Amino acid sequence: SQTIHQWPATLVQPVGSPLSLECTVEGTSNPNLYWYRQAAGRGLQLLFYSIGIDQISSEVPQNLSASRPQDRQFILSSKKLLLSDSGFYLCAWSTGQANTGELFFGEGSRLTVL
Amino acid sequence: AQSVTQLDSQVPVFEEAPVELRCNYSSSVSVYLFWYVQYPNQGLQLLLKYLSGSTLVKSINGFEAEFNKSQTSFHLRKPSVHISDTAEYFCAVINTGTASKLTFGTGTRLQVML
Repeated sequence: SQTIHQWPATLVQPVGSPLSLECTVEGTSNPNLYWYRQAAGRGLQLLFYSIGIDQISSEVPQNLSASRPQDRQFILSSKKLLLSDSGFYLCAWSTGQANTGELFFGEGSRLTVL
Repeated sequence: AQSVTQLDSQVPVFEEAPVELRCNYSSSVSVYLFWYVQYPNQGLQLLLKYLSGSTLVKSINGFEAEFNKSQTSFHLRKPSVHISDTAEYFCAVINTGTASKLTFGTGTRLQVML
């Protein structure tokens, strides 16, 4: 069966520090991968979308970046965090072919920037 | 492009009472529709989905939703809620047969009270 894991689960970082959130998927090949952010009291905002290694689309301009060094690994990064980067970050995957749009989510990473 | 509207940001209800969470979508083509549930500090889990066939779809924990094409709605209902149903519920839509991505509503917080 397929599983998705992301870490760390909780992170407290000072403004201006770097960020790295990791996500891995097991049990499937060539998945589409996604990073979403959920700010307090708001819905889901799609940040990045990837259909393959080194094929990443940015949905919203910001100081975050994403990389996909391996087929089932997706990393969210920042060189210098802002207060507004605080939120709950969710990684998700979907099938690469015959895609009905159904997403499978990780457990989430809560980032607090102080 | 598709869009989703969840008009109710919060729905308080007493335990064992019925509940309806509203979802309306907008799309110029046929769609797939989803309801996801998010328990506190967790990722999203698929609750139920409509891809084709019967317009009434059901989950294993008593929720159901009906796809109404003429009203472009996919409301979520449960005849008798339990305290454990307290969570955030997200409606989502994707255009069929395209490379489009899932679009989420802003979510409805269901608060079940004793």
